[in-house]
Amino acid sequence: AQSVAQPEDQVNVAEGNPLTVKCTYSVSGNPYLFWYVQYPNRGLQFLLKYITGDNLVKGSYGFEAEFNKSQTSFHLKKPSALVSDSALYFCAVRDIGGNNRLAFGKGNQVVVIP
Amino acid sequence: DGGITQSPKYLFRKEGQNVTLSCEQNLNHDAMYWYRQDPGQGLRLIYYSQIVNDFQKGDIAEGYSVSREKKESFPLTVTSAQKNPTAFYLCASSKTGAQPQHFGDGTRLSIL
Repeated sequence: AQSVAQPEDQVNVAEGNPLTVKCTYSVSGNPYLFWYVQYPNRGLQFLLKYITGDNLVKGSYGFEAEFNKSQTSFHLKKPSALVSDSALYFCAVRDIGGNNRLAFGKGNQVVVIP
Repeated sequence: DGGITQSPKYLFRKEGQNVTLSCEQNLNHDAMYWYRQDPGQGLRLIYYSQIVNDFQKGDIAEGYSVSREKKESFPLTVTSAQKNPTAFYLCASSKTGAQPQHFGDGTRLSIL
């Protein structure tokens, strides 16, 4: 079965500092990996995905993520955090060989301090 | 603009009552999904459908039912058998393959 772990409940970062949100995954085969962001009382918005190829993936709003197969990780990063980046972030995974079901992590609350 | 529309935004259920949450998409996506979101628990899959007239149970299907009579629509019924229905419900859709899911803005269901 596929699963995702997001080990930190909350990440606090000062505005302008680098932001990292951690994600590790487990699948039986090769993964498709996704990051989403959720603002209060809204649905999830897609940020970026890793399918194959370059391990560094660039996405929306200046976010990027690095796929590390040996560590089964897909950490989300942003070089300089903005107050508007404060939100709930979800990592998700599915097995390439499986159906379209995604397994989501529990989410990380990011708080960017002005 | 293409997207997913969930209605209503807020819904209240009385004891012993069934309620139906609407989800409509105009993205021409084959697959549709229903998730339940509770604080600190992430998203849990209730039901999903990969094609019209077919759907599968997710991880927490008990007390819920769905139908998929049209490609654009995937309504979710929360039955009286669901004893703890208070949650935020999210509908999503996607193309098949390595495509991301697109989400609606959710329905918040509470007990009266």
